Amino acid sequence: QVQLKESGPGLVQPSQTLSLTCTVSGLSLTSNSVSWIRQPPGKGLEWMGVIWSNGGTDYNSAIKSRLSISRDTSKSQVFLKMNSLQTEDTAMYFCARWRLDYWGQGVMVTVSS
Amino acid sequence: DVVLTQTPPTLSATIGQSVSISCRSSQSLLHSNGNTYLNWLLQRPGQPPQLLIYLVSRLESGVPNRFSGSGSGTDFTLKISGVEAEDLGVYYCVQSTHAPYTFGAGTKLELK
Repeated sequence: QVQLKESGPGLVQPSQTLSLTCTVSGLSLTSNSVSWIRQPPGKGLEWMGVIWSNGGTDYNSAIKSRLSISRDTSKSQVFLKMNSLQTEDTAMYFCARWRLDYWGQGVMVTVSS
Repeated sequence: DVVLTQTPPTLSATIGQSVSISCRSSQSLLHSNGNTYLNWLLQRPGQPPQLLIYLVSRLESGVPNRFSGSGSGTDFTLKISGVEAEDLGVYYCVQSTHAPYTFGAGTKLELK
């Protein structure tokens, strides 16, 4: 059974760095790519980036300068780090297999002082 | 970036009614490998999105066959043949032909 689960802090202060973890079970990261997608409250979906099965990455150009995605295949975990957070980064953050067929439940991140 | 324009933004339907949602792309979604990476997702309230259709018209496993997708190039359509109560939510088209991948703004399906 494939499962993805996001974890991380619910509250981040402005200008600080967000660190999230996506723990994957039921599939191997060496043969599956994982994307991060976010959704501000009441709004639509925004693709943030992907870490491919070969370890390469691609990012949304709008946030590329602030974003880093990495992984630990031995722990089946994918990591998201985004710096210089602002209030507009308040959103539900999801990880999903690249086909978008398996999603985590998401983690709500609020940027506020 | 590729812009996906979904219409209508809101759709009111009765149970059993057939409805269609349009997704138009600012550029062709035909990949050089011959595939067209246009998917449709449904997001029910409080839930992550669920994949319904991939590669324009292929039904994801476990999805009822009242859902169907069609189109090519820049124009795509999702059709629901006989809306059921469990179909209510927000529908998104998403393209993964061109990076960055992009989503349409969504179409909210509600009961009339």
